[in-house]
Amino acid sequence: KQEVTQIPAALSVPEGENLVLNCSFTDSAIYNLQWFRQDPGKGLTSLLLIQSSQREQTSGRLNASLDKSSGRSTLYIAASQPGDSATYLCAVRGGGFKTIFGAGTRLFVKA
Amino acid sequence: NAGVTQTPKFRVLKTGQSMTLLCAQDMNHEYMYWYRQDPGMGLRLIHYSVGEGTTAKGEVPDGYNVSRLKKQNFLLGLESAAPSQTSVYFCASTGDGDTQYFGPGTRLTVL
Repeated sequence: KQEVTQIPAALSVPEGENLVLNCSFTDSAIYNLQWFRQDPGKGLTSLLLIQSSQREQTSGRLNASLDKSSGRSTLYIAASQPGDSATYLCAVRGGGFKTIFGAGTRLFVKA
Repeated sequence: NAGVTQTPKFRVLKTGQSMTLLCAQDMNHEYMYWYRQDPGMGLRLIHYSVGEGTTAKGEVPDGYNVSRLKKQNFLLGLESAAPSQTSVYFCASTGDGDTQYFGPGTRLTVL
């Protein structure tokens, strides 16, 4: 059974710092991995989608990497801003249409 | 485009009452999903649909039923609500690109 773990559960950094959020999964037979952002009381917004054949994806200040063999993905956020404060969720899709989500990392960027 | 919309936004039920949550998408997506989000447990898939007229069970389907009579709509029903079904419910849809698009959520409390 696929399990997805995100460490740390919460993170507080000063504005401008570069940071890395971690996601690990137990079954390397994945179809894709997606990173989402969730603001309090809101739905999820997709940030980056990495297909199983890809190693990384980039969008603006965000870079996500995927290492299937080790069961890990990282989300790198460059030059963090207070507006980046949110919960970041990692989601792994295996065979079929079932997607397993991690519990998230709550990020707070201090001005 | 409105994207994915959910009705209602909030609802309070008494144990044993029934209700239906409506999800609508205007992106012509084939695949639609219902998730529940509980503190510390991440999102868990309840049911999903791979096209009009189809439904399938997800990770936590007990106590819920779904219908996909029209491509743009995916309904989630609770026949006899229980306090354990107090949660935030999210609908999502996916097109050919695999990216999941989420609705804003429905906050349900069962007393």
